[in-house]
Amino acid sequence: DAGVIQSPRHEVTEMGQEVTLRCKPISGHDYLFWYRQTMMRGLELLIYFNNNVPIDDSGMPEDRFSAKMPNASFSTLKIQPSEPRDSAVYFCASSLALAGNTIYFGEGSWLTVV
Amino acid sequence: QKEVEQNSGPLSVPEGAIASLNCTYSDRGSQSFFWYRQYSGKSPELIMSIYSNGDKEDGRFTAQLNKASQYVSLLIRDSQPSDSATYLCAAFSGGYQKVTFGTGTKLQVIP
Repeated sequence: DAGVIQSPRHEVTEMGQEVTLRCKPISGHDYLFWYRQTMMRGLELLIYFNNNVPIDDSGMPEDRFSAKMPNASFSTLKIQPSEPRDSAVYFCASSLALAGNTIYFGEGSWLTVV
Repeated sequence: QKEVEQNSGPLSVPEGAIASLNCTYSDRGSQSFFWYRQYSGKSPELIMSIYSNGDKEDGRFTAQLNKASQYVSLLIRDSQPSDSATYLCAAFSGGYQKVTFGTGTKLQVIP
C-alpha cells in the first residue's frame, strides 16, 4: 500500500487566504486523524473520523478550521481565513481501530502563513 | 495539565550506551501506550507498543509500563547515531476515546 497520502507537501500563503489540505488514508482503515505539530505545542489532535463520521473535533482551534470526509478515501482540512499563527506541520493519519492499533502518518503538509 | 508529559531534552548519550526515555500520563483510564520515533523533517513512526505492566522487549528496544505510577519508559540499548531523533510517547484513553501524544524527547547519540 502507498501509505497515507497528503497534499500539498508545502504551502506558503498570505494571511487571510483560504488553505485546503488533502488526505487519502490507507485503504481499509476506519479511522482518520488530523494532527497539527508545532515546536511549542507538539503534536495536537485536531479532529478524527470513524467511518467518515466526525467523532471528536474538540481540538479544532476555532471556527476558521473545518474538516470533511466525504468518502472513505478522501478528507480535507480547510482554514479560512488563514493567520500567521496557523503556520505548522499538519499531519493526516489513519488506523484500523483506536485501541491498541498503530497510527500511520502521512508525510505532512508544511504550512507557512505570511 | 498536559495529559502525557515528557522531558523535551535534548538527551545526549554516547554511542553504545543505554538511552532511557521517560513519560508520565495523567488519565488512569489509559489502556494502551506507544512510542513513536520522529526524525527531523519526517513523520512519526511506531516503534513499540505496550499494554500490560512490566517490560516488553523488541531488539534493542525495551518498553516499560507501570500503571500504578502512571509511568512509561523506553530503553534503547547499544545506542547508535541513527537512533538520534525525537521520541514521542502516546497513550490511548478508553474513557476519552482518543490517543494523546506527548511533546517528545529529543535524543542525540554522540559518535
